[in-house]
Amino acid sequence: EPEVTQTPSHQVTQMGQEVILRCVPISNHLYFYWYRQILGQKVEFLVSFYNNEISEKSEIFDDQFSVERPDGSNFTLKIRSTKLEDSAMYFCASSGLGLGNSPLHFGNGTRLTVT
Amino acid sequence: GIQVEQSPPDLILQEGANSTLRCNFSDSVNNLQWFHQNPWGQLINLFYIPSGTKQNGRLSATTVATERYSLLYISSSQTTDSGVYFCAVDRGNNRLAFGKGNQVVVIP
Repeated sequence: EPEVTQTPSHQVTQMGQEVILRCVPISNHLYFYWYRQILGQKVEFLVSFYNNEISEKSEIFDDQFSVERPDGSNFTLKIRSTKLEDSAMYFCASSGLGLGNSPLHFGNGTRLTVT
Repeated sequence: GIQVEQSPPDLILQEGANSTLRCNFSDSVNNLQWFHQNPWGQLINLFYIPSGTKQNGRLSATTVATERYSLLYISSSQTTDSGVYFCAVDRGNNRLAFGKGNQVVVIP
């Protein structure tokens, strides 16, 4: 069964550094998403992306965050200057159609630790 | 935004027992999914179930959209069923809202 793949599985970075989290969505999917989960808390929506632009973003997704689809297969989340509170598990997801019409498929996550 | 409440928050089961997890949501939804988060943190999609009933092995789910709730049934539980079960809903605005989860521990 096709999968969403994320790399790296774990990233440790120092406060103030830039990080890029990478995702390869399922190949025929059109909608892409990033979610995050702070340890012990619920999963929170960050951003959705369709047709090479952001379609929705949450209040968490401030100017420090950006997303990009640099080629036909990758989807990236960049955090420009990491803060301690950015430490979390970051999940990439994709769906074939817009939400409400098809399920989201999640990757295994990237655990980001900011020291 | 839409509120998603899951109950019970914590559940300890003896291996072989059955259980029911509940998800209530505060508004009409276009999409509802159940996920299992395993001890490694992976989110496994269990059901896409905006309405009706589905079964997959020992798991089944029912969503009654008009009454704004969904139920996940685990039958003959196994230790591998341990983890957190999340319900997540979408109102058609392309963002899933998750509940806080049901922490399930199955003991041998």
